[in-house]
Amino acid sequence: ETGVTQTPRHLVMGMTNKKSLKCEQHLGHNAMYWYKQSAKKPLELMFVYNFKEQTENNSVPSRFSPECPNSSHLFLHLHTLQPEDSALYLCASSQDLWRGLDEAFFGQGTRLTVV
Amino acid sequence: EDQVTQSPEALRLQEGESSSLNCSYTVSGLRGLFWYRQDPGKGPEFLFTLYSAGEEKEKERLKATLTKKESFLHITAPKPEDSATYLCAASGGSYIPTFGRGTSLIVHP
Repeated sequence: ETGVTQTPRHLVMGMTNKKSLKCEQHLGHNAMYWYKQSAKKPLELMFVYNFKEQTENNSVPSRFSPECPNSSHLFLHLHTLQPEDSALYLCASSQDLWRGLDEAFFGQGTRLTVV
Repeated sequence: EDQVTQSPEALRLQEGESSSLNCSYTVSGLRGLFWYRQDPGKGPEFLFTLYSAGEEKEKERLKATLTKKESFLHITAPKPEDSATYLCAASGGSYIPTFGRGTSLIVHP
C-alpha cells in the first residue's frame, strides 16, 4: 500500500454505461491528480485539484467528469466512453501543487476496459 | 511547450553491469525534475526530486544527477530486483509535470 487507494482495480464497461473511479488518501496532502496511462505513451495529466479546487483540466473530453468533495477523496465519473479510453487510470497526491510531484504518491491504478 | 525525452526506450543489463538512463528536458523555468520507478501492474513510486543544475541524490544503487538540459539516473551494480520502468518528469512555470515515455530496464541474473 502506498497511502493512496484506488477502487476498483479493474473495470469493464460498455460504451453506454456510467461508472465512477474512486481515489482516497489520508496522507494530509492538498493536491490530487488524475493521470491516464496508455501503452507506449507518456503519462497524460487529466485533472489537478489543489486544496479541493480544480486548477487544471488538460483538454479532457466531457465524458470524463472529476469530483473532489474533500481533500482526501477524488472521483472520476465516466459516461459514454469510447474503446480508445481503455487505459490504466492513476490517481496521485502530493503535499501541494507548488512542490509538484516531489514525494508524490500514486495509487495502484484502475485498469479500465471499454467494450 | 514543455518536453521530456527519455533514452534508451529499453535497456537490458547483466547483474552487476552498471549503466545510465538519460532524461532530456525542455522546460521553461524548471521547478523540479522527478524520477519515478514503476513495476508492472503498479503505480509509479517516487525516487528523487532534483531542483537545480549540479544537484545529485543517491539511494542505494541509484544516483540521479541534473544539468541544465538533462538528468541521468546512474545504476551501479544492478540486481534483478532493479528491473522496472523508470519514469522522468519535469515541471516548470505552470507547476504541471510533463512525463517522458520511460525506460524499461531488465537486469538478468
